[in-house]
Amino acid sequence: QKEVEQNSGPLSVPEGAIASLNCTYSDRGSQSFFWYRQYSGKSPELIMSIYSNGDKEDGRFTAQLNKASQYVSLLIRDSQPSDSATYLCAVNGNRDDKIIFGKGTRLHILP
Amino acid sequence: DGGITQSPKYLFRKEGQNVTLSCEQNLNHDAMYWYRQDPGQGLRLIYYSQIVNDFQKGDIAEGYSVSREKKESFPLTVTSAQKNPTAFYLCASSMSNTEAFFGQGTRLTVV
Repeated sequence: QKEVEQNSGPLSVPEGAIASLNCTYSDRGSQSFFWYRQYSGKSPELIMSIYSNGDKEDGRFTAQLNKASQYVSLLIRDSQPSDSATYLCAVNGNRDDKIIFGKGTRLHILP
Repeated sequence: DGGITQSPKYLFRKEGQNVTLSCEQNLNHDAMYWYRQDPGQGLRLIYYSQIVNDFQKGDIAEGYSVSREKKESFPLTVTSAQKNPTAFYLCASSMSNTEAFFGQGTRLTVV
């Protein structure tokens, strides 16, 4: 059984600070990794995709991947109240195109 | 407009009834997915399909059925065998081994 683990939170971060979200996965053969944001009652929206070890930056967001440690993280710089949401980590096993999600981390940005 | 369309947005089912949730995409994506989300929980995979006329069970397939007769369409039937069907149902699609994009979801309630 492939698993994706996240701390459920809530994670409270002051406005303007850096929010750090973490995720581990069990399938060492996984090749594709994604971060989604989900507001209450809405469907998930894609923030970042990352496929190779290292950092990938897009605006205020940085995704970090370490395949040896089976660990992927998301950093949000200059956190805004609008960043308050649940952040879902997802992993694609590549061999079977099966995308598995973690349970999500609730992030609360304190004004 | 390219995207994924789920219908209906809200659906009410009586005990013992089968209901079918629609999912259509015009993104020319090969893979399609159905997830279930319960309040405060992550996304759990019901079924997924990598190609027309083929689909695989996810982690919670019992009480559900799907078909993939066309590339654009992946309907989900919630059968009377599903004892606790009240949930938020999300359909997604992707190109092989890349990120998934979601429809707006269907909220199913048993009355």
